[in-house]
Amino acid sequence: QVQLMQSGAEVKKPGASVKVSCKASGDTFSIYYVHWVRQAPGEGLEWMGKINPTGSRTTYAQKFQGRVTMTRDTSTSTVYMELSSLRYDDTALYYCTGGRLKQWLADWGQGTLVTVSS
Amino acid sequence: QSALSQPASVSGSPEQSITISCTGTSGDFGGSNFVSWYQQHPGIAPKLIIYDVSNRPSGVSDRFSGSKSGNTASLTISGLQAEDEADYYCTSYTTSSTLVFGGGTKVTVL
Repeated sequence: QVQLMQSGAEVKKPGASVKVSCKASGDTFSIYYVHWVRQAPGEGLEWMGKINPTGSRTTYAQKFQGRVTMTRDTSTSTVYMELSSLRYDDTALYYCTGGRLKQWLADWGQGTLVTVSS
Repeated sequence: QSALSQPASVSGSPEQSITISCTGTSGDFGGSNFVSWYQQHPGIAPKLIIYDVSNRPSGVSDRFSGSKSGNTASLTISGLQAEDEADYYCTSYTTSSTLVFGGGTKVTVL
């Protein structure tokens, strides 16, 4: 099992960017797919994209194409999600999650609250 | 990519069985068995309870079971208990190598 620890809450202005980190512990992280999922207040879960174990391939939801970038630092077992051109409706709890197979969301971080406010 | 369709709410009495459906297109399910279900209690990260249509991770109660027929997947909770009151989400790995979530179903134990 992998433990995922995310960075702290952020408050950003509209139009700004935010970068959230997700640091993993556990020896299987090198073969681990990482996904990002967000949840707006009172709403359901929304998939944003994923990055493969080596960091060489990303797949993004069409909705976020052009605004989201996921990267991976294998030396520190950390994955990053950067979302640009923030809007008020990007206010949400952002989770990193993943597993050994690309379709699994077996382990979850604690979530990072991103608030977009002027 | 539109969300998979789930009923907004399902309720049942203790010890009853309930079933939550999850309907999508052929593209959503991709002809594969990469359907998962997640349980989320308020204020807590989701928990994987069913993967690859019908498999339970270690430690998940056998009261949870999953199935799939065509473009509809289902989660059945048998012997409903108070602790099962939560939101439930289905996901599927699509033909575009993306994941799509259902809109979520709130389960209420009467």
